[in-house]
Amino acid sequence: EPEVTQTPSHQVTQMGQEVILRCVPISNHLYFYWYRQILGQKVEFLVSFYNNEISEKSEIFDDQFSVERPDGSNFTLKIRSTKLEDSAMYFCASRTPQGRTNEKLFFGSGTQLSVL
Amino acid sequence: AQRVTQPEKLLSVFKGAPVELKCNYSYSGSPELFWYVQYSRQRLQLLLRHISRESIKGFTADLNKGETSFHLKKPFAQEEDSAMYYCALTPVPGGGNKLTFGTGTQLKVEL
Repeated sequence: EPEVTQTPSHQVTQMGQEVILRCVPISNHLYFYWYRQILGQKVEFLVSFYNNEISEKSEIFDDQFSVERPDGSNFTLKIRSTKLEDSAMYFCASRTPQGRTNEKLFFGSGTQLSVL
Repeated sequence: AQRVTQPEKLLSVFKGAPVELKCNYSYSGSPELFWYVQYSRQRLQLLLRHISRESIKGFTADLNKGETSFHLKKPFAQEEDSAMYYCALTPVPGGGNKLTFGTGTQLKVEL
């Protein structure tokens, strides 16, 4: 079965630094998502992306966050100036454009971001 | 706003025993409910969704709108069922896969 790929698996950064988390969605998927999970807490929606623009974003996704699809394969999440509270596991997900709106999501294995 | 509640952080059962992972939700409209599972060191993956009304790996879940519940059940637990289980909700229609997750229940099946 095709997979969503995320790199790196673990990223350590200093507070205030910029980080870019990378994702390669499944090739024929057109809807892309970022979720995050702070240790011990629930998985939270950050942003959805379709047709080269943000479809929806949560309150967490403030001006420090941005997403981009720089080429035909990558989907990135950038945090401009990381804070300690940004430490979390970040999951990328994608789905096909076919069928129902709530078609099955495919998740990546996650990037563990540690802000020191 | 929608909310998903999974009251148990950890559920420990013996192999062969019945399993019920509880999930309650609150949403003013008509939601779509899912169960996602995360096995050790693996990615989050869809286990089942209420609209499919199917049994996956012996698990079933029925949406009870009166009780706003979507409990996950399996009559006989297997060791390989040990995993983290997340209940999730998305609004219908047009939820766009903005999933709202519960906090998850760690299922441990003991021999």
